Amino acid sequence: NAGVTQTPKFQVLKTGQSMTLQCAQDMNHNSMYWYRQDPGMGLRLIYYSASEGTTDKGEVPNGYNVSRLNKREFSLRLESAAPSQTSVYFCASSESGVAWETQYFGPGTRLLVL
Amino acid sequence: AQSVAQPEDQVKVAEGNPLTVKCTYSVSGNPYLFWYVQYPNRGLQFLLKYITGDNLVKGSYGFEAEFNKSQTSFHLKKPSALVSDSALYFCAVRDINNFNKFYFGSGTKLNVKP
Repeated sequence: NAGVTQTPKFQVLKTGQSMTLQCAQDMNHNSMYWYRQDPGMGLRLIYYSASEGTTDKGEVPNGYNVSRLNKREFSLRLESAAPSQTSVYFCASSESGVAWETQYFGPGTRLLVL
Repeated sequence: AQSVAQPEDQVKVAEGNPLTVKCTYSVSGNPYLFWYVQYPNRGLQFLLKYITGDNLVKGSYGFEAEFNKSQTSFHLKKPSALVSDSALYFCAVRDINNFNKFYFGSGTKLNVKP
């Protein structure tokens, strides 16, 4: 049982390049999330998917797109990377997004945009 | 709007001493509060949560937190700190209008000295 996995672990991009961050969970969870973590700002929600086939914007969605490929996988795409997107990206999942549930986090992807 | 604040960027304690990491919240209604811990180069791990009931909540690794409605606080505590407790701690509140949304504090770095 691997929990939440993310690939790649680290990536360097040039401004304007595109890339997709991959996330998968093996806990049969319905809800999945993408966050970014910046120093002194905690985690901010980019997008989430409450269930397979649905996606919704979080606090900071600009510059990103997501795809809920199936129940297990939720990808985050940067179409044209900008230095402001340099951050650590975390994927998380929870069973169904009810009040008492916790979220389970992946190990993160460190992205550097030059 | 819902939010949490962690007023201390860093807390330093000696091993064996009690520790407190502070969190205050702003929620229009009954809050759902969480504490997470992040070790270097790792994802966040759940420590404990307050949903309803007893104001003193016990969690993983000997941590506990006290919910105080009048002071709108949810401070994390441990009676005797260990060097291995050194990590980054995040307080979070769940959006009462959309359980898929969490709002995280900026984080507090705990440094436990031998």
